[in-house]
Amino acid sequence: TQLLEQSPQFLSIQEGENLTVYCNSSSVFSSLQWYRQEPGEGPVLLVTVVTGGEVKKLKRLTFQFGDARKDSSLHITAAQPGDTGLYLCAGGSGTASKLTFGTGTRLQVTL
Amino acid sequence: ETGVTQTPRHLVMGMTNKKSLKCEQHLGHNAMYWYKQSAKKPLELMFVYNFKEQTENNSVPSRFSPECPNSSHLFLHLHTLQPEDSALYLCASSPLFVNTGELFFGEGSRLTVL
Repeated sequence: TQLLEQSPQFLSIQEGENLTVYCNSSSVFSSLQWYRQEPGEGPVLLVTVVTGGEVKKLKRLTFQFGDARKDSSLHITAAQPGDTGLYLCAGGSGTASKLTFGTGTRLQVTL
Repeated sequence: ETGVTQTPRHLVMGMTNKKSLKCEQHLGHNAMYWYKQSAKKPLELMFVYNFKEQTENNSVPSRFSPECPNSSHLFLHLHTLQPEDSALYLCASSPLFVNTGELFFGEGSRLTVL
């Protein structure tokens, strides 16, 4: 069974601070996705990384896929209240039905 | 407006009731999914449909009965549920033959079983 552990589970920070969320597994994935889920909504895809060592940037968010394709990180620079939500990583092994979701990191950004 | 629409958004039912959740996608995808999201647990895949045919059932109890009349619509029929079935039920769709397998989720149906 493939497992994806995310850390930290909870994070409460003030606006303007930087943070990093980690997603770790002992399994190799062909792709790694990050989703954000706001309260009362479904998860929304942020990014997909597919190559070991790949770095993608989405405004203030930087995503990295580990060289061995077993782990990933999400770094947010100068967090804003709009970044509040549940961040989920998901490891892919082919089609969408083979996605393994992580345990989630709940982020709260306050003024 | 999301490309995947779920109704109802909230549902409260007794253990002897029968109700249904509905999902509709406007993205032209051919694969649809039901996921269960409970507190402190990773998303759990329940069912997968490809071109209206069920391709996966992850040991889901028979009190949950899915139906996919076409590639755009997906239902989850509920009967004699238990309180531990209370959760957020998420519908998702994806294009087939995309090996990175991104999912497009609806807003979810929050189910409470009394």
